[in-house]
Amino acid sequence: GESVGLHLPTLSVQEGDNSIINCAYSNSASDYFIWYKQESGKGPQFIIDIRSNMDKRQGQRVTVLLNKTVKHLSLQIAATQPGDSAVYFCAVSMDTGRRALTFGSGTRLQVQP
Amino acid sequence: DADVTQTPRNRITKTGKRIMLECSQTKGHDRMYWYRQDPGLGLRLIYYSFDVKDINKGEISDGYSVSRQAQAKFSLSLESAIPNQTALYFCATSGPGQDEAFFGQGTRLTVV
Repeated sequence: GESVGLHLPTLSVQEGDNSIINCAYSNSASDYFIWYKQESGKGPQFIIDIRSNMDKRQGQRVTVLLNKTVKHLSLQIAATQPGDSAVYFCAVSMDTGRRALTFGSGTRLQVQP
Repeated sequence: DADVTQTPRNRITKTGKRIMLECSQTKGHDRMYWYRQDPGLGLRLIYYSFDVKDINKGEISDGYSVSRQAQAKFSLSLESAIPNQTALYFCATSGPGQDEAFFGQGTRLTVV
């Protein structure tokens, strides 16, 4: 099986600072990793994903880093804005396309003005 | 219109009642999922279906059943609701060979 854990339930940052949200997973066979953002009253929304053949992937203001050696995943948000305030989930799967995602418990990001 | 639509959005029901949560999607995806979200526990998989004839139990299927009526419809039933099934329920879909899941807006279920 797979278990996924986030390191901090709540992260508070100042507007304009960079945010780093961390996630650990247990199964070394996991080959797909994804970050979701969930705003209050809404379903999770895709932010960025990465496959196990990569160790870094960048999007708009977001970067995902994957360290397979220690089974660790992080989401970096540059120049954090008030609109980034939400709960962030990492999720992992294996056997590409043949398994459902396993989610972590989430980190609440609070952006202070 | 939302690609993944869940009905109802909110429901209060009594212990012992049967309740059905419905999900429909317009994305043309073959894979559909039901997740449950509780505070501090993230999303946990209840059931998933990779096509109309393929239904699989997830991590927490006890007390739940599902029906895949068509490629676009996947319903979740609680045959006899109990208070610890009070939670936020999400339906999700994904395309063939894709891992990314697209979520509905959720159904908040309260069992009293």
